[in-house]
Amino acid sequence: NAGVTQTPKFQVLKTGQSMTLQCAQDMNHNSMYWYRQDPGMGLRLIYYSASEGTTDKGEVPNGYNVSRLNKREFSLRLESAAPSQTSVYFCASSDRASGGTDTQYFGPGTRLTVL
Amino acid sequence: GDSVTQMEGPVTLSEEAFLTINCTYTATGYPSLFWYVQYPGEGLQLLLKATKADDKGSNKGFEATYRKETTSFHLEKGSVQVSDSAVYFCALSAGFQKLVFGTGTRLLVSP
Repeated sequence: NAGVTQTPKFQVLKTGQSMTLQCAQDMNHNSMYWYRQDPGMGLRLIYYSASEGTTDKGEVPNGYNVSRLNKREFSLRLESAAPSQTSVYFCASSDRASGGTDTQYFGPGTRLTVL
Repeated sequence: GDSVTQMEGPVTLSEEAFLTINCTYTATGYPSLFWYVQYPGEGLQLLLKATKADDKGSNKGFEATYRKETTSFHLEKGSVQVSDSAVYFCALSAGFQKLVFGTGTRLLVSP
């Protein structure tokens, strides 16, 4: 099993450019998440999808949009990138039925720099 | 709201030393508690978890006990190795399958 995969691994954007971060999981999990990780701030939830066809805002959703394309895939879009969005982005998935206790499984991350 | 507080890092130890990383939490209800580990350049991996008061989670020589009376979930290991150098995150479950993370504690182990 590949688990949770993310593309790309690294990306440099100029202010105002747009891009989509891709995430896929092969564990048949219902729930998927996008986090950003910044120094000294831990991980903060951007958006999550409790099940296919639903999405909800997390702690820091401004400047981002998401799409739950199907059960496997959950993408994060930056419509007009800003330097404040320079961060490492992690996708995660979970399934209460299989994990039983909200265990989340993380991808390797995308390091994004906005100039 | 729910929150997790971890000790500031970095924690610097020599190989075979005893490790404690403190974690306290604030939450309504009875959350599950987790420790995740992040090795350099990688995503987070679940290290251990506990789902109710007095439960002890353990894995790879690490242990943590869910203490409701002190709202704590401190991570311990009796003898650290260089390969344990990583960033450790304490987290709690906050509602339906959502996690709240602490800021992370970097551990550096020297030979």
